[in-house]
Amino acid sequence: KAGVTQTPRYLIKTRGQQVTLSCSPISGHRSVSWYQQTPGQGLQFLFEYFSETQRNKGNFPGRFSGRQFSNSRSEMNVSTLELGDSALYLCASSPSGGQKTYEQYFGPGTRLTVT
Amino acid sequence: EDKVVQSPLSLVVHEGDTVTLNCSYEVTNFRSLLWYKQEKKAPTFLFMLTSSGIEKKSGRLSSILDKKELFSILNITATQTGDSAVYLCAVGSGNTGKLIFGQGTTLQVKP
Repeated sequence: KAGVTQTPRYLIKTRGQQVTLSCSPISGHRSVSWYQQTPGQGLQFLFEYFSETQRNKGNFPGRFSGRQFSNSRSEMNVSTLELGDSALYLCASSPSGGQKTYEQYFGPGTRLTVT
Repeated sequence: EDKVVQSPLSLVVHEGDTVTLNCSYEVTNFRSLLWYKQEKKAPTFLFMLTSSGIEKKSGRLSSILDKKELFSILNITATQTGDSAVYLCAVGSGNTGKLIFGQGTTLQVKP
């Protein structure tokens, strides 16, 4: 099976702009989670989607949003970018159901740099 | 507040050594504990431990979960330079796919 794919892999944006990141899960996986990774804070949970519904959201401002499509592909959007949003954004997918929800497989990430 | 704490934060060993990485947690609604390996790219899944599976082994890697004492260890025997990486511990919480990660342990294996 193909792994989780994320596009684009690298992005440079200017403060105040907005950005959309895309994630395609492993075939058959219906749960998609997003994480932000920075040297200072480590990996932090952003949100999780299952069957097009956001089931959980981390402690991030409303500028961070996401959605999931009927084919399980997901996008996240960050509006009004700030310098502190520079990070590696990781998407992970997992099989649905019970404990399998936590067995998450990560994509290569999108490296976002805000200048 | 939920937290996952790993120790040590960094470790330098020589090839052939055995290492033990620690992970303790205080998480409400604990569901599972996972170990990942990260080498300058995305984390790679190693193990998931739950109430019904508190010991896992794969080759030179093994892990146990102590739900009573709220910790887990990851053992790597006969280390190789290819084991050099950041090892992340994460706890699955609640009924959705939220993982709470520790800070990671950076392991360097010298030839």
